[in-house]
Amino acid sequence: AQSVSQHNHHVILSEAASLELGCNYSYGGTVNLFWYVQYPGQHLQLLLKYFSGDPLVKGIKGFEAEFIKSKFSFNLRKPSVQWSDTAEYFCAVIEWDTDKLIFGTGTRLQVFP
Amino acid sequence: DSGVTQTPKHLITATGQRVTLRCSPRSGDLSVYWYQQSLDQGLQFLIQYYNGEERAKGNILERFSAQQFPDLHSELNLSSLELGDSALYFCASSVPTGATEAFFGQGTRLTVV
Repeated sequence: AQSVSQHNHHVILSEAASLELGCNYSYGGTVNLFWYVQYPGQHLQLLLKYFSGDPLVKGIKGFEAEFIKSKFSFNLRKPSVQWSDTAEYFCAVIEWDTDKLIFGTGTRLQVFP
Repeated sequence: DSGVTQTPKHLITATGQRVTLRCSPRSGDLSVYWYQQSLDQGLQFLIQYYNGEERAKGNILERFSAQQFPDLHSELNLSSLELGDSALYFCASSVPTGATEAFFGQGTRLTVV
């Protein structure tokens, strides 16, 4: 069965530190890839998405992600985090032939001033 | 505001009972997803409907069922509730199939006592 793995369950950083969150998926077919963010007490919101084209995608709030097809990876990056980035981050994959939108287990990011 | 409405926001019920969670998708969205979010299991995909028909099935228990009505709103029915069913239940919608980004509602927090 298809799956999405997020290797970092809990990340603690100081403000201005750089961030990279790992995401790997297991499906070999055509996929669309997403990163969602869930701020405390809120619903999930889309950070960025990759459908096709340039494998380096930029999202909101200075986040970016790189799709590496050969590694089945879609890692999220931000060069300098802020306290307001404290949230839970979810990687997600949609398989074109099943339409299932599958999420990873999430990474909790805490940023301290 | 994502445009996806879930009711109720909170629900407290006893074991063995049955509840119905409601989701109104964004205007024009034909696809509805249901997810269960718990601390130990992360964000689990339950089921997806597209224009009234079941499209994809995830880790949905037999005690749970869902449907999408002609006006495209969806209901998730949870029966014979157990303590372990306590979780946040999210609904998401997308246009027109799942191969696009999904927009999430605020969730229904279910507490089974």
